[in-house]
Amino acid sequence: DAGVIQSPRHEVTEMGQEVTLRCKPISGHDYLFWYRQTMMRGLELLIYFNNNVPIDDSGMPEDRFSAKMPNASFSTLKIQPSEPRDSAVYFCASSYRDKRYNEQFFGPGTRLTVL
Amino acid sequence: RKEVEQDPGPFNVPEGATVAFNCTYSNSASQSFFWYRQDCRKEPKLLMSVYSSGNEDGRFTAQLNRASQYISLLIRDSKLSDSATYLCVVNPSYDKVIFGPGTSLSVIP
Repeated sequence: DAGVIQSPRHEVTEMGQEVTLRCKPISGHDYLFWYRQTMMRGLELLIYFNNNVPIDDSGMPEDRFSAKMPNASFSTLKIQPSEPRDSAVYFCASSYRDKRYNEQFFGPGTRLTVL
Repeated sequence: RKEVEQDPGPFNVPEGATVAFNCTYSNSASQSFFWYRQDCRKEPKLLMSVYSSGNEDGRFTAQLNRASQYISLLIRDSKLSDSATYLCVVNPSYDKVIFGPGTSLSVIP
């Protein structure tokens, strides 16, 4: 089975440029999460969707960040304009709601460097 | 106070040793608890859920203490392959997931 797929795996860009990260969740999963991980702040939840609808975006750092999920098999996280402090690993995860537990399956991450 | 706290370590232990990690959480209404493992430059993966009665999976034992609001992970007979960061995860509510900062473990030959 294919797991969560993210692209690109690595992105190097210059400050001010637009960055788009992509995620394909596991088929059948109804939750999708975007996380950011840095050494200083650890793993932070940015936003999550349920059935393609954004439920909680309180973790989105500022208006430069936006996320969409146009259908059940695709989501994007966009940063415009990018800044050096956005450099981090961005993970996408998906899960299926189960009354017992909701294990999250993570993608391999996108390592973003903003120069 | 952070919602989920862990000792960052690093824990450096010899092969064969027993090591324990603790994690504390602030929301007493939290419903479910997990330990995830993250290898260097990889994504986090579920290691085990933590049940109220405690549970064991091979060399790994997880315990929950609701009264004191902490969970623990015990690793017996440490292997080199256990070297990783261990993340404590708490669900304050069903749809909300909080990851702890992680505890780094290095198992030394």
